[in-house]
This record gives sequence, structure tokens and C-alpha cells, in this order.
Amino acid sequence: DSGVTQTPKHLITATGQRVTLRCSPRSGDLSVYWYQQSLDQGLQFLIQYYNGEERAKGNILERFSAQQFPDLHSELNLSSLELGDSALYFCASSDTRSSVDTQYFGPGTRLTVL
Amino acid sequence: GQNIDQPTEMTATEGAIVQINCTYQTSGFNGLFWYQQHAGEAPTFLSYNVLDGLEEKGRFSSFLSRSKGYSYLLLKELQMKDSASYLCAVRADNNAGNMLTFGGGTRLMVKP
Repeated sequence: DSGVTQTPKHLITATGQRVTLRCSPRSGDLSVYWYQQSLDQGLQFLIQYYNGEERAKGNILERFSAQQFPDLHSELNLSSLELGDSALYFCASSDTRSSVDTQYFGPGTRLTVL
Repeated sequence: GQNIDQPTEMTATEGAIVQINCTYQTSGFNGLFWYQQHAGEAPTFLSYNVLDGLEEKGRFSSFLSRSKGYSYLLLKELQMKDSASYLCAVRADNNAGNMLTFGGGTRLMVKP
């Protein structure tokens, strides 16, 4: 158990819909990262938040957005869903103050778009 | 940008030793990580290298050569539970956060 929690574990929805994925980081970690993992692609970095502010952006679509709240939990919002958005979505957290700054991953949310 | 290459699949025998290679090209370098991922589960941290040389941690060791853009993960005394994907990830040296770029992963199958 990494200490990172994600809800829900599974999500099934239809094209065009909007969903929200939630992540709580490990106690004390200020950074949260979101990744997408599709069957035909590896782990793709989407976005990083540090202490409530956006820190880095990867290959995140304009239909996707995220935020980090004062209690440090984060939400990833996916809208106008398409079949190709079906994937595992992982959240990771790290203690950016440490030199190693290892990212620890949550169990993921499996999104199925029908 | 960054480019990370690792073999797609490998097969090894229980009790043996296997080496999984990773080569990378990056505009800056600030550490290389290895993760293990069982199918459908979260990646779990195995090792971290930022300086050249070998880091040993039980049955797992990881090696880094920054000048060659090369790393390997060595797994000794293979067990059936080591069947998983092994992900190599590089952190770039920039001020735009601490994002990791992952390779496609190497799926290791351990046979009896």
C-alpha cells in the first residue's frame, strides 16, 4: 500500500459524458501527478500540481482539467468523453522537498467509455 | 524532448538471473527510476539512480551510465511472482516540475 488513494476504482460511462476522478496523496506529500495508461501506450504524464498550483503540463487534452485543493487532494476532470479515453488513470504523489523525490502511485481508476 | 527504449518482452527461468536494459536520450538528466507493475495494478518503486554505478537492493540491482545514456535492472534468483512489467523512467533536469517520462515497459515472464 503506497498511501495514495484514488476513487472510484472503476467507472463506466458513455461518450460525451463528464467524469471526475479523485486522488488523496500520501501524508506530507505536496506534489500530485496524473498519468494515463492505455493498452497500446505506456504511462503518459498528464499534469503535476504542487501545493495547490499547477507545476508542469504534459500531453493533457483541452477536454481534461485538474486542480489541487487546500487539503492537497486532487481531482481530474474529463469531459466530452470519447471511446479513446478508456484507460487506467493513475495518480502519484511525492515529497518534492526530498532530493530523490520518488513518486508513489495510487491503485488507479479504470475508466471505460462505451 | 526525451526518448526511452527498453525491450518489449523477455522470458527467463525461475531461479535464474535476468538483465533488463534501458537506453535514454534526454536534453537534461536528473535521475532514473525503475518501477515494477503487475497487470492492472499500480507501478511500485524499485530503484533510483542519479550517479554512475550500481545500486543494490536485495535481489534487485540497478546500474547507470550517464555518459552512455544507459541503465539496466538486474533481477537475481527469479521467482514466479517477478512476472510483471518493468518500467524505466527518466526525470529531466529542468525547472518545470519533476515529471517522469516512462519507457514502454518490459514484460517479463518467469517460467518454472
